[in-house]
Amino acid sequence: DTGVSQDPRHKITKRGQNVTFRCDPISEHNRLYWYRQTLGQGPEFLTYFQNEAQLEKSRLLSDRFSAERPKGSFSTLEIQRTEQGDSAMYLCASSLKPPRAHEKLFFGSGTQLSVL
Amino acid sequence: DQQVKQNSPSLSVQEGRISILNCDYTNSMFDYFLWYKKYPAEGPTFLISISSIKDKNEDGRFTVFLNKSAKHLSLHIVPSQPGDSAVYFCAARAGAGGTSYGKLTFGQGTILTVHP
Repeated sequence: DTGVSQDPRHKITKRGQNVTFRCDPISEHNRLYWYRQTLGQGPEFLTYFQNEAQLEKSRLLSDRFSAERPKGSFSTLEIQRTEQGDSAMYLCASSLKPPRAHEKLFFGSGTQLSVL
Repeated sequence: DQQVKQNSPSLSVQEGRISILNCDYTNSMFDYFLWYKKYPAEGPTFLISISSIKDKNEDGRFTVFLNKSAKHLSLHIVPSQPGDSAVYFCAARAGAGGTSYGKLTFGQGTILTVHP
């Protein structure tokens, strides 16, 4: 399977715990994005990387959130001290570097986070 | 503020007929528009896109129309098939700079059901 893969598919945690998600992009893609989707809404941009550099972060990304892409391949998104409002689907996407990409993002199936 | 709006939460169509999904936007800086399709338990997949310099783009059964003066775009599916049943998201990008690629603003989605 050469698509974007995300792990885990589901995560249930208690409020106040830390969680970490992993995303493996399509191998030749140098751009990697994190989006968040809540029920009844479309995906919302969180942050993106070009290779290992984090180039932009949304104001939605509070200081409890941190994302890394240490070697320009896979990425992790960590949420510290989770809150019930963090419950959402966390989507990872990848693309080629523009302008070849246009906006054709390839999304993974997401990690569904439930904070109890 | 919701810069991209899909005002119809759902649409039901008979197989073989036309499906028309609508999207309105408010940000005049949006210059590229896309439609994504999402099946349950999967990430969104790219369907079709259009640049603001065009008013129509066609790909097989799918056609996207853009009316810049009305800040409105629509997706036409002809003929509709049961396999088209999914959630459809409209998305937009602001600006043509390198940092804006992949930073998409999504609508809330429209659930399309095509009945046999």
